[in-house]
Amino acid sequence: DTAVSQTPKYLVTQMGNDKSIKCEQNLGHDTMYWYKQDSKKFLKIMFSYNNKELIINETVPNRFSPKSPDKAHLNLHINSLELGDSAVYFCASGLRGGSSYEQYFGPGTRLTVT
Amino acid sequence: SQQGEEDPQALSIQEGENATMNCSYKTSINNLQWYRQNSGRGLVHLILIRSNEREKHSGRLRVTLDTSKKSSSLLITASRAADTASYFCATARLGGGTSYGKLTFGQGTILTVHP
Repeated sequence: DTAVSQTPKYLVTQMGNDKSIKCEQNLGHDTMYWYKQDSKKFLKIMFSYNNKELIINETVPNRFSPKSPDKAHLNLHINSLELGDSAVYFCASGLRGGSSYEQYFGPGTRLTVT
Repeated sequence: SQQGEEDPQALSIQEGENATMNCSYKTSINNLQWYRQNSGRGLVHLILIRSNEREKHSGRLRVTLDTSKKSSSLLITASRAADTASYFCATARLGGGTSYGKLTFGQGTILTVHP
């Protein structure tokens, strides 16, 4: 009965590789998000999709490309991984039509680039 | 400084004591939310306070909001060891467009409650 799930939980890879992180939510929400949490725990939004449409695209390198096949899934593909990409990536979902903006977070994917 | 800055950065208390964390922000907001993050886990929504509210309670949590000072506080009463976690405030801005639904988080307060 997991609400927001992410796979994998841990990802260790070498510089230059391409990797993907998957996210799924079963809450019936229409909006999904990707956040990056750095080593100092600062959480910064990267992307947001509403009904498969990109609505928030922060200043993120082009190497990061989100893909939303349907409103329950939002995947994150990262090309040519760099050391600075090491972080914990969180997926979240919420209702854009709601008035509260409350978001539900997945457990995170810890990416380590060596 | 960043939108949604928490103060203090770290707080260490004994079980049974109260814990107070503060958050300051810069822009006009629709609402302010508090989240908890246990070590190695995702964030969990705790409580939301709207810009036209001044105080809100939920169980052992009490949140205040002062829009004139652009600040909020989270009080956890009668703390327990299980409250040990990082606590983040997040602000939802006014307006539509790309701001709609966007939360801006601070760096959090690390709370340690000793048994």
